[in-house]
Amino acid sequence: ETGVTQTPRHLVMGMTNKKSLKCEQHLGHNAMYWYKQSAKKPLELMFVYNFKEQTENNSVPSRFSPECPNSSHLFLHLHTLQPEDSALYLCASSPNQGGVRETQYFGPGTRLLVL
Amino acid sequence: SQQGEEDPQALSIQEGENATMNCSYKTSINNLQWYRQNSGRGLVHLILIRSNEREKHSGRLRVTLDTSKKSSSLLITASRAADTASYFCATDANAGGTSYGKLTFGQGTILTVHP
Repeated sequence: ETGVTQTPRHLVMGMTNKKSLKCEQHLGHNAMYWYKQSAKKPLELMFVYNFKEQTENNSVPSRFSPECPNSSHLFLHLHTLQPEDSALYLCASSPNQGGVRETQYFGPGTRLLVL
Repeated sequence: SQQGEEDPQALSIQEGENATMNCSYKTSINNLQWYRQNSGRGLVHLILIRSNEREKHSGRLRVTLDTSKKSSSLLITASRAADTASYFCATDANAGGTSYGKLTFGQGTILTVHP
């Protein structure tokens, strides 16, 4: 276990549904990330939060809406998704202390299928 | 084009053999990291090598970095069936403070170790 949990682990939703992915880290980290991993494509960074503030939005469509209420929790709200949004969504966290680059700790991911 | 590109895309070896994976990147970096992913799971950090380091060891892992060639290699010695996984390199580009935590991942090498 890496100390980063994600729920649900699997999600099937229709294109008109609204759902949310949840990520929680128990490591006392200050930075959290959402990634998308599609088949045969590199891992794509979606959003970065540092100290609850969004510092990176990697040109993600507005049908994905992140929320970071505190440094331990990160949500990804999903609305009117497309079938091509089906992928493994990974959450990660890192310490973000002292300005030194650090490793990231990943959760197990949510496998999303959009029908 | 992507920052990190692994080679080969797939590698199949027998238990006990060594496995070597290569990563090339394009821009100046602060560090390069290697991660491992078991099928459909989250990524696990293996090792980080900084731009001023040339070689690093961790157990059966040996990583080299050649900044003049913008390349890195990961060597797994005496491989085991449990090493079967996908291996990714990720670069932390030297692009200033606003890029904090922005790792760019390659497409990965799928390693299969046969018992």
